[in-house]
Amino acid sequence: KQEVTQIPAALSVPEGENLVLNCSFTDSAIYNLQWFRQDPGKGLTSLLLIQSSQREQTSGRLNASLDKSSGRSTLYIAASQPGDSATYLCAVLNTNAGKSTFGDGTTLTVKP
Amino acid sequence: ETGVTQTPRHLVMGMTNKKSLKCEQHLGHNAMYWYKQSAKKPLELMFVYNFKEQTENNSVPSRFSPECPNSSHLFLHLHTLQPEDSALYLCASSQVFGGEQFFGPGTRLTVL
Repeated sequence: KQEVTQIPAALSVPEGENLVLNCSFTDSAIYNLQWFRQDPGKGLTSLLLIQSSQREQTSGRLNASLDKSSGRSTLYIAASQPGDSATYLCAVLNTNAGKSTFGDGTTLTVKP
Repeated sequence: ETGVTQTPRHLVMGMTNKKSLKCEQHLGHNAMYWYKQSAKKPLELMFVYNFKEQTENNSVPSRFSPECPNSSHLFLHLHTLQPEDSALYLCASSQVFGGEQFFGPGTRLTVL
């Protein structure tokens, strides 16, 4: 059974700081991994998708990496802004069973 | 309308009521998903449909009944719910089964 863990559970940083969010998974036989952000009481917004054959993806100030051998993914946020404050979730997607397993999320607060 | 829409956005119901949640995707995707998000718990996958066929029922109680009349619409019929069923119910869709998922805004359900 796939288990996904996100560390830390919460993070508070001053504006402008670079930061890394971590996601680890137990079963490396994954299809792809997706990062989301969720604002309070809202749905999930897709940030980046990394397919199992890829090692990283970039979008603007965001960079996500994937290391299947170690069962880890990281989301790097450069020059953080107060608008980045949200909960960040990673999900491991398994095509064979159509299953997706989510982590508990990291709640990020960026202080002005 | 674009993306994934869900109605209603908020729903309050008694334990003896029958209600339905609706999800519609305007992305031309072939797979649709229902998730439950409770406080302090990770997202739980409930049901998966691929080309209108149910492929996953993640041990969900029978008081939740899904319906997928076509690839664009997904319903979740609710009856005789319990207070612990109060949660945010999220719908998602993906182009391919198990692929990158796009979420709707969710329905906040409260069972009295």
